[in-house]
Amino acid sequence: KQEVTQIPAALSVPEGENLVLNCSFTDSAIYNLQWFRQDPGKGLTSLLLIQSSQREQTSGRLNASLDKSSGRSTLYIAASQPGDSATYLCAVQGAQKLVFGQGTRLTINP
Amino acid sequence: DGGITQSPKYLFRKEGQNVTLSCEQNLNHDAMYWYRQDPGQGLRLIYYSQIVNDFQKGDIAEGYSVSREKKESFPLTVTSAQKNPTAFYLCASTQMWGSYNSPLHFGNGTRLTVT
Repeated sequence: KQEVTQIPAALSVPEGENLVLNCSFTDSAIYNLQWFRQDPGKGLTSLLLIQSSQREQTSGRLNASLDKSSGRSTLYIAASQPGDSATYLCAVQGAQKLVFGQGTRLTINP
Repeated sequence: DGGITQSPKYLFRKEGQNVTLSCEQNLNHDAMYWYRQDPGQGLRLIYYSQIVNDFQKGDIAEGYSVSREKKESFPLTVTSAQKNPTAFYLCASTQMWGSYNSPLHFGNGTRLTVT
């Protein structure tokens, strides 16, 4: 059974810092890994999707990496801004379904 | 603009009543999903549908029912059999089930409160 873990559960950093969010998964037989952002009381917004054959994807200040063999993914946020404050979730797509981590609540302090 | 519309945003019901949550998408996606989100528990899959007129139970289907009569619509009924229905419900869709490159798109959710 696939299990997805995100550590830490919460993170608070000063504005302008670069930061890394972590996601680990137990079964490497995946189609892709997705990173989402969720603002309070809202749905999830897709940030990046990394296919199982890829190593990384970039979008603006965001860079996501995938190491399937070790069951790990990271989301790197460069030059953080207060508007980046949100909960970030990773999800792993397997043959049967998408399994979500519990998220990291990120706070960027001005 | 294409997207997923969930309605209503907030829903209040008395215990013992069935309630139906609406989910409509105009993305022409084949697959649709219902998730439930509770504080500290992440997203849990209730039901999913890979194609019209077909759907499967997810991890927590008891007390819920769905239908998929049209490609763009996937309503969720929360029945009186669901023991703890108060939660935030999220509908999602993706272009193709089991694709390597189909990101999941979400609606903005319905917050259901049952008293």
